[in-house]
Amino acid sequence: EIQLQESGPGLVKPSQSLSLTCSVTGYTITSGYDWSWIRKFPGNKMEWMGYISNSGSTNYNPSLKIRISITRDTSKNQFFLQLNSVTTEDTATYYCARMGIKGFAYWGQGTLVTVSS
Amino acid sequence: DVVMTQTPVSLSVSLGGQVSISCRSSQSLVHNNGNTYLSWYLQKPGQSPQLLIYKVSNRFSGISDRFSGSGSGTDFTLKISRVEPDDLGVYYCGQGTQYPWTFGGGTKLELK
Repeated sequence: EIQLQESGPGLVKPSQSLSLTCSVTGYTITSGYDWSWIRKFPGNKMEWMGYISNSGSTNYNPSLKIRISITRDTSKNQFFLQLNSVTTEDTATYYCARMGIKGFAYWGQGTLVTVSS
Repeated sequence: DVVMTQTPVSLSVSLGGQVSISCRSSQSLVHNNGNTYLSWYLQKPGQSPQLLIYKVSNRFSGISDRFSGSGSGTDFTLKISRVEPDDLGVYYCGQGTQYPWTFGGGTKLELK
């Protein structure tokens, strides 16, 4: 059974970088699919942030393009999110998810990141 | 970006009742390959979102046939029949036809 699990700091200071890890079990991230980061803001709005494909290519939401980087460590079956120059508006619950032609079929449990000094 | 507009924002239902949620996109969701990548998700309280319906009308593995999706082009509907307590939460539509992928604002389903 495929499982995804986010991890990382729950509190980040403004202007610093947010870094999260998604650990995947039950499926090898190089075998197929795209591996995404999605965030949900307070108040229900959801935003797809970007993905890294099984081949290692990336695609980012243009709204974040200058601040975001998604990378991976295939030896650990993990992929990562880095979001630079965060502000309080980046406070959200961050999810990693597997994307295929059926949509986002598998999600992590989510991790709340608060941006505050 | 494709804007996804869901209505209503909230919905009250009696157990055993039926509800419909509408999702409209600002552009056609028909992909160049002929598929329409419109999905529906449910986020139950305290849980991560789960996929219910993909490509407009296909139920994901393990999803009850009480959930049905329909629509085409820019107008889509999710119907839930014989509502059960486990159906409560926030429903989202999402499109995967055009980057960046986008979601509707959510519809909260509550008990009457």
